[in-house]
Amino acid sequence: NAGVTQTPKFRILKIGQSMTLQCAQDMNHNYMYWYRQDPGMGLKLIYYSVGAGITDKGEVPNGYNVSRSTTEYFPLRLELAAPSQTSVYFCASSKMNTEAFFGQGTRLTVV
Amino acid sequence: EDKVVQSPLSLVVHEGDTVTLNCSYEVTNFRSLLWYKQEKKAPTFLFMLTSSGIEKKSGRLSSILDKKELFSILNITATQTGDSAVYLCAAQRGANSKLTFGKGITLSVRP
Repeated sequence: NAGVTQTPKFRILKIGQSMTLQCAQDMNHNYMYWYRQDPGMGLKLIYYSVGAGITDKGEVPNGYNVSRSTTEYFPLRLELAAPSQTSVYFCASSKMNTEAFFGQGTRLTVV
Repeated sequence: EDKVVQSPLSLVVHEGDTVTLNCSYEVTNFRSLLWYKQEKKAPTFLFMLTSSGIEKKSGRLSSILDKKELFSILNITATQTGDSAVYLCAAQRGANSKLTFGKGITLSVRP
């Protein structure tokens, strides 16, 4: 069972570069989420989606964009990387009103 | 703004001790309270609590929700070194299943 798959696992970006963090789930979950986790800060919601074609901002959306063209995929785009975006990023998915399943995370460093 | 507060933020105990981890929440349209365990990588699901006063148990772990006081606790009895982890509490909204996380409690169990 693949569950939630994130790629890449690690990435180093230079300031101003762009990249896309990939997320795929094979559980036919309608709900998908992107979180970032900084040391000692828990998880902060960046963007979420309640179904294909529908996305909405979370607590910390600035500097990020998402799209949800299919149920399975929910990529997160960083357009102009900044040092403040150095973090661990988690993608998660769930059915309505059930627990969320998390991917293994992407550790991103912006230098 | 939705808020989840966990306490204490860190805890050091010896094997065999019993610990109680606390979580309070203020969330609009609250539906459920979830507990996760995080060891280095992705959070793994422990419990989902929707009804007040009904204890959920899994081995040495148990949890209960008080919807009047907006509070939940996670108990771990006879702790083992393998219980060392960050324990995350999250409150879920009913409308969009969005999870708001606390900062987490770092538990260290010494042999």
